[in-house]
Amino acid sequence: TQLLEQSPQFLSIQEGENLTVYCNSSSVFSSLQWYRQEPGEGPVLLVTVVTGGEVKKLKRLTFQFGDARKDSSLHITAAQPGDTGLYLCAGGPMRALNFGKGTSLLVTP
Amino acid sequence: ETGVTQTPRHLVMGMTNKKSLKCEQHLGHNAMYWYKQSAKKPLELMFVYNFKEQTENNSVPSRFSPECPNSSHLFLHLHTLQPEDSALYLCASSQEYRDREAYEQYFGPGTRLTVT
Repeated sequence: TQLLEQSPQFLSIQEGENLTVYCNSSSVFSSLQWYRQEPGEGPVLLVTVVTGGEVKKLKRLTFQFGDARKDSSLHITAAQPGDTGLYLCAGGPMRALNFGKGTSLLVTP
Repeated sequence: ETGVTQTPRHLVMGMTNKKSLKCEQHLGHNAMYWYKQSAKKPLELMFVYNFKEQTENNSVPSRFSPECPNSSHLFLHLHTLQPEDSALYLCASSQEYRDREAYEQYFGPGTRLTVT
C-alpha cells in the first residue's frame, strides 16, 4: 500500500485568506487526484494530475504535482465559505486508489 | 435520477441481522467500487467490479459480500457484522479505458451504517 500523508489535518481560516494544503508520499505515483467531500455527501473529483511539475488551475484553486511525482499541493486564493469541506488526495493504480486522511477546511465569513 | 445513487442513506442493524446496501449508477460506466470511510482513517477500497467481474478484493472479511448483477447495479450484502464495521460506505463508478492513465471516479452520497 502506498501511503499518502496530508497536512494540515485541520485548518480554520477567515473568508478572504489564502491557504495551501499538502499531500506527500515516499512512493512515486503515475497520477494523483484531489477530491472535496462535503458533510453527508460523497467525494467529488476536483482535478487529476499526471505529469511531474504539472500545474492546473480551477478558478481560485491551483493544483501542483511535484517534479518527482511523490507529492502535490492545493492552493486556494481568497477562500470563501463555500470552500469548506474535506479535501482528499488519492493516487496509485486506478483500480486500487490510495487515499490520504484528508484536510478538513473551515472557512468562516 | 442522475449520477450515482445509494440506498438506504442511513442503516442501523444488530450484530445478528442481515441487510443489503444498494448502489446504482446512471452514467453508463463500466466499473463500480465499494469504499469504507471510518473516522480518522483514510478511505479504504473494498471491492472493484469491471464489466460485472470482480477485479479487486482488498482482504475484506467474508461478512461483507458484494454482488454486481449488471454494470449499473452494485450491492453489498452484510451479515453478522461487528460494531467496528460502523462507518460510511461509499459506492463509486468510473469509465475505464485501456489507453488512459487515470479514471475519474464518481461517488454516491454513501450509506451511514451503525452496528449495535
